[in-house]
Amino acid sequence: GQNIDQPTEMTATEGAIVQINCTYQTSGFNGLFWYQQHAGEAPTFLSYNVLDGLEEKGRFSSFLSRSKGYSYLLLKELQMKDSASYLCATVDSNYQLIWGAGTKLIIKP
Amino acid sequence: TAGITQAPTSQILAAGRSMTLRCTQDMRHNAMYWYRQDLGLGLRLIHYSNTAGTTGKGEVPDGYSVSRANTDDFPLTLASAVPSQTSVYFCASSGTATDTQYFGPGTRLTVL
Repeated sequence: GQNIDQPTEMTATEGAIVQINCTYQTSGFNGLFWYQQHAGEAPTFLSYNVLDGLEEKGRFSSFLSRSKGYSYLLLKELQMKDSASYLCATVDSNYQLIWGAGTKLIIKP
Repeated sequence: TAGITQAPTSQILAAGRSMTLRCTQDMRHNAMYWYRQDLGLGLRLIHYSNTAGTTGKGEVPDGYSVSRANTDDFPLTLASAVPSQTSVYFCASSGTATDTQYFGPGTRLTVL
């Protein structure tokens, strides 16, 4: 079967660093996406990993280990506007996206 | 450019009624998708279209139909709405089936 696991909710402090984990089991693998979704809004693209390793993009970085079925999103220098849900999605053998339920990140001052 | 738009923004619908959710993109993307998002669940694919004139079923297609007469438009129709179809519906598009997907603002549908 296909399964994506993320923590339901995390809390962090403004200015700190937070790591959001995603583990997956899917039929075939053609990459992994991270999206950000503010409450009441549409998901917006953050990152895409298809090879193992770390991809850095400003304050956000995404890591992938295909052998472990594991990814994480690292957010540095947290700002209040980073309060949102973070969605992990893998690309299966049919190039369809399989989505996790999302991690709600709460940033406290 | 507008990107991808959806209409209506929200709707309350009586059970048994039909409704069409509209989705239009101006990015000349080949692939388009319809998802529903329910609390505690990930986005679930309803139907997709990899190119104009073709459509395919996603994970939860029952009770929904789509058409793709041209590149820009991808309407989703509920023939006879049921309360379990209460959800937020997102339309998305991508250049090709393997590209990053970009989402519309969503339609919040309540079926009573």
